Amino acid sequence: EAAVTQSPRNKVAVTGGKVTLSCNQTNNHNNMYWYRQDTGHGLRLIHYSYGAGSTEKGDIPDGYKASRPSQENFSLILELATPSQTSVYFCASGDLYAEQFFGPGTRLTVL
Amino acid sequence: QEKVQQSPESLIVPEGAMSSLNCTFSNSASQSIWWYQQHPGKGPEALISIFSNGNKKEGRLTVYLNRASLHVSLHIRDSQPSDSAVYLCAVNNYAQGLTFGLGTRVSVFP
Repeated sequence: EAAVTQSPRNKVAVTGGKVTLSCNQTNNHNNMYWYRQDTGHGLRLIHYSYGAGSTEKGDIPDGYKASRPSQENFSLILELATPSQTSVYFCASGDLYAEQFFGPGTRLTVL
Repeated sequence: QEKVQQSPESLIVPEGAMSSLNCTFSNSASQSIWWYQQHPGKGPEALISIFSNGNKKEGRLTVYLNRASLHVSLHIRDSQPSDSAVYLCAVNNYAQGLTFGLGTRVSVFP
């Protein structure tokens, strides 16, 4: 069964601090995605990747960086966290045009 | 940029009834249209997708797509309390992942 895991599940950070959210998939999918989910905005795409070593900007990339060091791992990095980045973050993996499998989410609070 | 709108925002139905959800999108050349289900505190899970005009049925789910009117609908027959969740319509636009609507919250009461 497809499996996407995220860590940490909950995170409290301070404004201006660095935050790294991690995602691991055992599906052997080439594509991985980072979304954030906010009331009134729904799920929005931040960054995505076609494979190890590649990262692409999604619809709302400002303030975020991404890293794909291997087929299995995809990280989202907030170099200077701000309160506006308080949200629930979801990682997903999937083949092109096919079903995306989502992780359980990370709840991030920036104080 | 693709825009996806869903209606109604919320739906309350009795157990055994049909739940009908609507979604409109902005790009007739979009790839597949997906419906995801999301329970509180969980990630979305794919239910069904459609690419071609017409309808597709899987179990209690039926989805209808009309690309000319940029409209897709999801119908859940014989709704159960376990179907209570938020349903997200998502459009797959080439390689850039999914564009989601805000969702319809469905509540099924016994």
